[in-house]
Amino acid sequence: EVQLVESGGGLVRPGGSLRLSCAASGFTFGAYTMYWVRQAPGRGLEWVSSIISSSDYIKYADSVKGRFTISRDNAKNSLYLQINSLRAEDTAIYYCARVDYYDTGYFDLWGRGTLVTVSS
Amino acid sequence: EIVLTQSPGTLSLSPGERATLSCRASQSISSNYLAWYQQKPGEAPRLLIYGASSRATDIPDRFSGSGSGTDFTLTISRLEPEDFALYYCQQYGGSPPETFGQGTKLEI
Repeated sequence: EVQLVESGGGLVRPGGSLRLSCAASGFTFGAYTMYWVRQAPGRGLEWVSSIISSSDYIKYADSVKGRFTISRDNAKNSLYLQINSLRAEDTAIYYCARVDYYDTGYFDLWGRGTLVTVSS
Repeated sequence: EIVLTQSPGTLSLSPGERATLSCRASQSISSNYLAWYQQKPGEAPRLLIYGASSRATDIPDRFSGSGSGTDFTLTISRLEPEDFALYYCQQYGGSPPETFGQGTKLEI
């Protein structure tokens, strides 16, 4: 089955860290650009970070630059997001998403998300 | 950054009716790189439309997209009970970052 499954979320205190993972299956993970997209409670979708298939080009939203690090391991079919110096405003469901095969930029496959809650 | 504004914020309709959702961009979107997603409570977003008017795999033909430049529309011809959800538009034709609209809630 073609799917993405996120894990690693949880409750963390402000200033803390987490490492999110996204396990891909059913497709050639290494051929695709991957994104992390988040959704704060009751809010819309926000792009967080992206990484191309070779890991040579990485982007971050200004709101997370310097605190979040995206990476991938194509041999393990996995995407990661290291999140440091967490703030209350980082509380959200974090989704991993696959960009279409031709890399035009729309997301044709999403995981179900993992919830990150930042609270003291 | 291209800002997408969706309207209305909430749309109240009944099964069998026609739904028209709007997405307006702050500047023209090149190549009509505009996508629509459906999201139900507790679920991940699902791709409905890409390239402004192309239906994604397994999406029923009651869903259609149209528009160009700065004005785009998602139309659901005859609402089914399972269509009541949140809908987001996303542009991927401008300079980074890819951006989403704030969403339209389609409710019974």
